[in-house]
Amino acid sequence: AQTVTQSQPEMSVQEAETVTLSCTYDTSESDYYLFWYKQPPSRQMILVIRQEAYKQQNATENRFSVNFQKAAKSFSLKISDSQLGDAAMYFCAYRSAQGGSEKLVFGKGTKLTVNP
Amino acid sequence: DSGVTQTPKHLITATGQRVTLRCSPRSGDLSVYWYQQSLDQGLQFLIQYYNGEERAKGNILERFSAQQFPDLHSELNLSSLELGDSALYFCASSVDQETQYFGPGTRLLVL
Repeated sequence: AQTVTQSQPEMSVQEAETVTLSCTYDTSESDYYLFWYKQPPSRQMILVIRQEAYKQQNATENRFSVNFQKAAKSFSLKISDSQLGDAAMYFCAYRSAQGGSEKLVFGKGTKLTVNP
Repeated sequence: DSGVTQTPKHLITATGQRVTLRCSPRSGDLSVYWYQQSLDQGLQFLIQYYNGEERAKGNILERFSAQQFPDLHSELNLSSLELGDSALYFCASSVDQETQYFGPGTRLLVL
C-alpha cells in the first residue's frame, strides 16, 4: 500500500520570505499523481498544485512550485513571497494512475504559520 | 468555491442514531468520493462512486453506506453512531478521475 509522509508537523515563515514543505511517499508504481492541498481555518480543502509522475518538469502555479524527485520519492512544495493568507494546514497526497483505484492517500499535514 | 456542495454543514446527534450526509458534485463530474478527517486518523478515503456505481472502497465501516443517484448527487449514511465517528466528512468530485475538488465538509459531532 502507498504511504505519504510529511515529516514537519509545523513550520513558520516570515511574510514575503520563502518556505519549503517536505513530503515523501512510498510506492512500487511507476505512474501516479501527486498533489498539495491547502486547508485554511475554514477547513475547506483547496487544491494548490498537481504533478504527474511521468512529467520531468516541476509544476508551478504562481508563487507555488514543487521539487519532484521521482527516484528519491520526494515531492516538496515551495511557497515564494509568503503571504498571511498562506497560513494553513498543507497536505501532500498521492493518487495511483492505475484504473479502479483513484483514491487519494494523504500525509498527516504540515501546519504553516506566516508571521507578519 | 469548488462547485461541490455538501449539506448539512454541521450535525450534532447522539450515540446510536443514524444520519445522512448529502453531496452534490460539480456540474459534469461523474465521480464522487467520500473522505473522513479525524484528529487521530487524519484524512482517510471511505468510498468512491462513478456514474451511479460503486468503484472503490476504502476504510469504510459496515455501519456506513453510501449511494449515488441518477442525478449524480451522493449520500453517505452513518448508522449506530459512536463517539469515535465524530469527524469532518468531505465529499469530492472529479470529471477526469485525476484531480479531485472538495466540498466544504460536514462536521459531525456525536454526543
